[in-house]
Amino acid sequence: EAGVTQFPSHSVIEKGQTVTLRCDPISGHDNLYWYRRVMGKEIKFLLHFVKESKQDESGMPNNRFLAERTGGTYSTLKVQPAELEDSGVYFCASSNNGQGEGYTFGSGTRLTVV
Amino acid sequence: QKEVEQDPGPLSVPEGAIVSLNCTYSNSAFQYFMWYRQYSRKGPELLMYTYSSGNKEDGRFTAQVDKSSKYISLFIRDSQPSDSATYLCAMSAIGGNEKLTFGTGTRLTIIP
Repeated sequence: EAGVTQFPSHSVIEKGQTVTLRCDPISGHDNLYWYRRVMGKEIKFLLHFVKESKQDESGMPNNRFLAERTGGTYSTLKVQPAELEDSGVYFCASSNNGQGEGYTFGSGTRLTVV
Repeated sequence: QKEVEQDPGPLSVPEGAIVSLNCTYSNSAFQYFMWYRQYSRKGPELLMYTYSSGNKEDGRFTAQVDKSSKYISLFIRDSQPSDSATYLCAMSAIGGNEKLTFGTGTRLTIIP
């Protein structure tokens, strides 16, 4: 079974530019989550999709962040315009039952805004 | 105050030692408790999952939950160099809200 795939693995962009992160969940997993780890801080929840619908987006920091999940398959997270404080590692996870026990995380996208 | 507190370490112990990792939490709504292991440049990998007070054992790993004290622990017996990683505690509330709240993680090094 293929795992959760994220790309790019690393992105360096200038402040004010736009970046789009992509996540391909495990096939058949209805639940897809985005988390972020900022340097020196804990991993924090951003949002949760069930199929193509946003179940919980309470962790999204502001309206510069836009997440989509086309047709309930892969998901994208766009940051526009990027700010310095957006730097960090963005993790995607997927699950079947949505109870945390079945989470599989991707390796993350390391975003550096300069 | 953070909802979940975890000593970031780093923690270094000799091979074969027993390792104790701990987290405290303040939110009484947390009912599901997890421990994740994260190797460098990788995503978190679930090690242990429990939802009741008491101990749960899986091989060399034992997870302990004390809800009355809001305190969870992970014990690693006969530690191996391959156990060197960052260990993250995570929690979620009952009632269908599946988002996880993480501790900052403890960086562990097992010295051969």
